[in-house]
Amino acid sequence: GQNIDQPTEMTATEGAIVQINCTYQTSGFNGLFWYQQHAGEAPTFLSYNVLDGLEEKGRFSSFLSRSKGYSYLLLKELQMKDSASYLCAVRDSNYQLIWGAGTKLIIKP
Amino acid sequence: GAVVSQHPSRVICKSGTSVKIECRSLDFQATTMFWYRQFPKQSLMLMATSNEGSKATYEQGVEKDKFLINHASLTLSTLTVTSAHPEDSSFYICSATNLAGGDTGELFFGEGSRLTVL
Repeated sequence: GQNIDQPTEMTATEGAIVQINCTYQTSGFNGLFWYQQHAGEAPTFLSYNVLDGLEEKGRFSSFLSRSKGYSYLLLKELQMKDSASYLCAVRDSNYQLIWGAGTKLIIKP
Repeated sequence: GAVVSQHPSRVICKSGTSVKIECRSLDFQATTMFWYRQFPKQSLMLMATSNEGSKATYEQGVEKDKFLINHASLTLSTLTVTSAHPEDSSFYICSATNLAGGDTGELFFGEGSRLTVL
């Protein structure tokens, strides 16, 4: 079966760095997405990886290793507004998106 | 980025009535639209995938006669919850993408619609 695993919840301190991991097992691979979702709101796009390596976008970076079925989202200089759920999603060979359950990130002052 | 508009954002209805939710892509042609529902503290659950001009493909366990999806144009898809019951109360989210032309197929989400059935 297809499966996306990510931690349920993480806690970090304002100003620090946090890494959210995502491992996947899917039927084929056509890209991996990270989305941020604040409570009660729709997800917003953060990053897209289809090739191995690190993609950097300001305070957020996303890494992919296709051979290991692994990705991480790195958040630097954490701000209180970064408190949200972070969803990892993988697009399989049929272009279907398989979603992880999300990681709730709690930022403490 | 591309804009997807979803309406209404909140709706309260009586049990047994039907509710229609609209999803519009405002500045691009959406070849494919997805409908999700999300219960509190849970991830997105895909309900159905609709391609413009064809019947929607429903995920296992989703009743197609209860959740009617119409994708009549490249910019509009609608979800109608028929004969709604309290257990249908949820957050419904649409997303749109354009898989044509080598696009990354990034998903653009609507704002979501919170349905409460009394």
